[in-house]
Parts: sequence; structure tokens; C-alpha cells
Amino acid sequence: GNSVTQMEGPVTLSEEAFLTINCTYTATGYPSLFWYVQYPGEGLQLLLKATKADDKGSNKGFEATYRKETTSFHLEKGSVQVSDSAVYFCALSPPGRAAGNKLTFGGGTRVLVKP
Amino acid sequence: DAGVIQSPRHEVTEMGQEVTLRCKPISGHDYLFWYRQTMMRGLELLIYFNNNVPIDDSGMPEDRFSAKMPNASFSTLKIQPSEPRDSAVYFCASSLSTSRNYEQYFGPGTRLTVT
Repeated sequence: GNSVTQMEGPVTLSEEAFLTINCTYTATGYPSLFWYVQYPGEGLQLLLKATKADDKGSNKGFEATYRKETTSFHLEKGSVQVSDSAVYFCALSPPGRAAGNKLTFGGGTRVLVKP
Repeated sequence: DAGVIQSPRHEVTEMGQEVTLRCKPISGHDYLFWYRQTMMRGLELLIYFNNNVPIDDSGMPEDRFSAKMPNASFSTLKIQPSEPRDSAVYFCASSLSTSRNYEQYFGPGTRLTVT
């Protein structure tokens, strides 16, 4: 079946540091890949997505590239801010409509940015 | 749009009581998902609906849990009888099948505490 594995946290950084959160997946075919972010006390929000190999998703300074050869979708940001402190979830949606819009989520990575 | 609406935001109840969580999806969305989030198990998909019909309830932990979607604008998740191990944050999410990015929109969650 489908699965998503992401690095365990917490990840603690200083402001303006470089952030990388690793994500790898197992799926048949070409799934769509997502990063969701959950700020304290809130629900998840879509941060970025990529729907085919070599696509790069980007939003709010975050980027992730869909790497089919390594089945990875690592999240990066060049200079983090305190406001980026949150839990980040990698997720996939299987190809085709038959599976509906069901997402498989990774375990989440908590990021804490200190001033 | 108001987004996904969940009620109540917080619920504290005693073991053995019935608990009903409510969700109003985004108007026009045809998929609705119920998730449970705990520290130990992360984010788990409990059940999801398409056009008000339950498609996959394999994540429902046991018979004490039931979910209904009587119409396109309302869903409930019921726990009867509740147990302390049901304490978690329960999220509802909705999505649109004709959307090309398969994004799920999450509500703010209901924090359930069973004492």
C-alpha cells in the first residue's frame, strides 16, 4: 500500500537558518505529493504541492521537488522565521480518480524556530 | 467562503457518555473526511464520504464510533460510549473531486477530552 515517511522532530533552528525536512514515499504509479502545515491550535493547511515528476512546488519561501528516482519530496526553506514554527506533514494522493481524494499522511515533523 | 466549520471546538465529557461532533463542509465540496490526531498515533483517517455516501470506514477504531452524512452540508461523528483513550483532536476536511490539485480543506478541529 501507499505510505509516507518523514523525519522525526522536533527540529529546532535559529531564525534565518536553512530548513530541510526529508520526506520519502511508497506508492504505485505517479502520485500527487503535498506538504501541509499545522500552526498551533489550528487545522492543517496546504503549503505546496507537485503533481508530476520533476515538478517543484513553492509557497511562502518553501520549496519541494518531486523526485521520482528517489521517491522523495523534501521540503526546504532558505531562511526561516519564528512564524514558521509549526508541524509539517508530507502527504500523497494516489494517481487516478478511483481512489478519490484520499490522502496518506506522514507522521509530521515539529519545527521550532528560536529568535 | 466560511471554510470548514466544526463544533464544538472543545468538548469535555465523562467516560461512558455519548459524544457527537459536527462538521459543515465547504459548500459545493463532494468529499468529506474525518481524522483523529493524537501524540501517539499522529493523524489517522477515520472515514470519508463521497456525495454523502461512506466510501471507506476502515479507519474507524471500533463499533463505538459511527459517522453519518445526511446531506451535503452536514456530517456527524458519534462516539458511544466514550472512553478516555478517545481523547484526541478530531478534524473534518472537505475537498472537490473536480479540483485538479486534490487539496483538502481542514476545519479547526474539536478537542475532545474524556475523563
